[in-house]
Amino acid sequence: DVKVTQSSRYLVKRTGEKVFLECVQDMDHENMFWYRQDPGLGLRLIYFSYDVKMKEKGDIPEGYSVSREKKERFSLILESASTNQTSMYLCASSLSNEKLFFGSGTQLSVL
Amino acid sequence: GQQLNQSPQSMFIQEGEDVSMNCTSSSIFNTWLWYKQDPGEGPVLLIALYKAGELTSNGRLTAQFGITRKDSFLNISASIPSDVGIYFCAGQELVGNTPLVFGKGTRLSVIA
Repeated sequence: DVKVTQSSRYLVKRTGEKVFLECVQDMDHENMFWYRQDPGLGLRLIYFSYDVKMKEKGDIPEGYSVSREKKERFSLILESASTNQTSMYLCASSLSNEKLFFGSGTQLSVL
Repeated sequence: GQQLNQSPQSMFIQEGEDVSMNCTSSSIFNTWLWYKQDPGEGPVLLIALYKAGELTSNGRLTAQFGITRKDSFLNISASIPSDVGIYFCAGQELVGNTPLVFGKGTRLSVIA
């Protein structure tokens, strides 16, 4: 079974802090994605990557950046966390574009 | 970015009832998928549909790819308490290698 592991289930940070959310997948998938999930808004795509060192902006990239130095790891970076970035963050990976495998999520609270 | 129109937003049903939810899009989709998210977990793929008119079942779940390629529905028969969760439709547009577009989800509550 594919395993997508997100480093933290819960994270509490202060406004202005730099935050790293880590995601690792163990199935040699080319594609990796970062979403945020907010009540009533569904899943919104932040960034995605189809290959190592490659990244593409999703629908809501502002305030975020990503890093993909190795195929199995895709990091989401909040350069200066703000309270409106309090959310559930979900990482996913896939071999093709449609069958995504999700991690369990990181609930980030920015105070 | 585009989002799918998913309805209803939430449902409260009695155990044993059937459930129906649907998704519509303004553009043509190549693929439709349905995911379920259990509380505290990430979404998990339930059913994938690849051809217009396709009807696919997975246990008590049945999903269809609309003939117009702009809609899909998911039915759950004889609901049970473990059906509780958020159901998301997702689709991939016809043109290019684009990421999935997700609906906003249907939150299902089952009353025993």
